[in-house]
Amino acid sequence: DQQVKQNSPSLSVQEGRISILNCDYTNSMFDYFLWYKKYPAEGPTFLISISSIKDKNEDGRFTVFLNKSAKHLSLHIVPSQPGDSAVYFCAASGGGSEKLVFGKGTKLTVNP
Amino acid sequence: DAGVIQSPRHEVTEMGQEVTLRCKPISGHNSLFWYRQTMMRGLELLIYFNNNVPIDDSGMPEDRFSAKMPNASFSTLKIQPSEPRDSAVYFCASSSRGQDYGYTFGSGTRLTVV
Repeated sequence: DQQVKQNSPSLSVQEGRISILNCDYTNSMFDYFLWYKKYPAEGPTFLISISSIKDKNEDGRFTVFLNKSAKHLSLHIVPSQPGDSAVYFCAASGGGSEKLVFGKGTKLTVNP
Repeated sequence: DAGVIQSPRHEVTEMGQEVTLRCKPISGHNSLFWYRQTMMRGLELLIYFNNNVPIDDSGMPEDRFSAKMPNASFSTLKIQPSEPRDSAVYFCASSSRGQDYGYTFGSGTRLTVV
């Protein structure tokens, strides 16, 4: 039973346009959400996070939106750059646990 | 800091052999996590330690898998005997409670069991 779902295995966008990556979760106990980026042959690296007390967090070109009622979050990248091409993982934790539950990832390709 | 260090980077072994994966967490981090990544299941948590004590091993697939953390700077994940279905990338990660960026991952060990 997947608690964190990324339903799009891949996404392709043009350089300069917006990339929107989506994530849904089922566990109401989750109260902290993170996005990680992963390049081939490397470990995932932290990108941006959001607490359930917020509905938006922004860091440069990256913005994460959280819709608690829909149990949905999204990552917006504007403008997209070829170097953003990677696999993006959504992750969640909650209930005081340190455990992070990951989605299966979305492979983003930004075309020059 | 050199980050989370995993060894070996690649391991090819024959079915039935023992495999040991190693991890050195970031100094000062008090939690350590072992994850496995496969195409089918994505990133799944196998076990995690807090202050060298195993807290949750519910993700360990079966008794063939074992993990230890004898001190704050070293952990091992052992598979004995290994099977082809264990082929995956195994990641170690560490964290410190209170940080807002989750875990720091190592580069992973790609295990191939033939």
